[in-house]
Amino acid sequence: DAGVTQSPTHLIKTRGQHVTLRCSPISGHKSVSWYQQVLGQGPQFIFQYYEKEERGRGNFPDRFSARQFPNYSSELNVNALLLGDSALYLCASSLPRTDNSGNTIYFGEGSWLTVV
Amino acid sequence: AQSVTQLDSQVPVFEEAPVELRCNYSSSVSVYLFWYVQYPNQGLQLLLKYLSGSTLVKGINGFEAEFNKSQTSFHLRKPSVHISDTAEYFCAVSDRYNFNKFYFGSGTKLNVKP
Repeated sequence: DAGVTQSPTHLIKTRGQHVTLRCSPISGHKSVSWYQQVLGQGPQFIFQYYEKEERGRGNFPDRFSARQFPNYSSELNVNALLLGDSALYLCASSLPRTDNSGNTIYFGEGSWLTVV
Repeated sequence: AQSVTQLDSQVPVFEEAPVELRCNYSSSVSVYLFWYVQYPNQGLQLLLKYLSGSTLVKGINGFEAEFNKSQTSFHLRKPSVHISDTAEYFCAVSDRYNFNKFYFGSGTKLNVKP
């Protein structure tokens, strides 16, 4: 089975622009979460979606938004890009909450965003 | 809220030597604990996890970790490292009420030298 897939893998944007990052979860996974990893730091939680509803939000400004589609894929949108938004954006998926085998999240390879 | 502290930003070690990467957490509720590894220019791969039960958990690639509730620690160990273990290691926690939200430490870069 395919793992978590993300696109694009790398992109360069200029300040003030908008970016959309995409994520396809592992087949059967209904929960998707997004993390931002700035160079030299650990990942920071941005959003979690489950069954197409936002279930959690980290400490990020309203310029960051996301959504989940009926097929459980997800998009992360960032408006009015700042230089500080340059980071690796990681998508992770996990099994439904009712699963008792553990709440492991599985990460994609990430999307490298550079804002210039 | 939860937080994770990885006490060493970098750990140099010679090949075949043992290694311990330290992780401490703080939380007001019961937590799940994880170690992930990140190779250069890649995403994160799960090494091992503690959910409940035995406090000593074994993971992939010969790694193991021990959960110590009284010391709020979850240190990662390997008795003999290989060059291929060179990577960055992240400790993470999630709480049992919002277990899809993970809090990560700042990472420890393990540099295995020949």
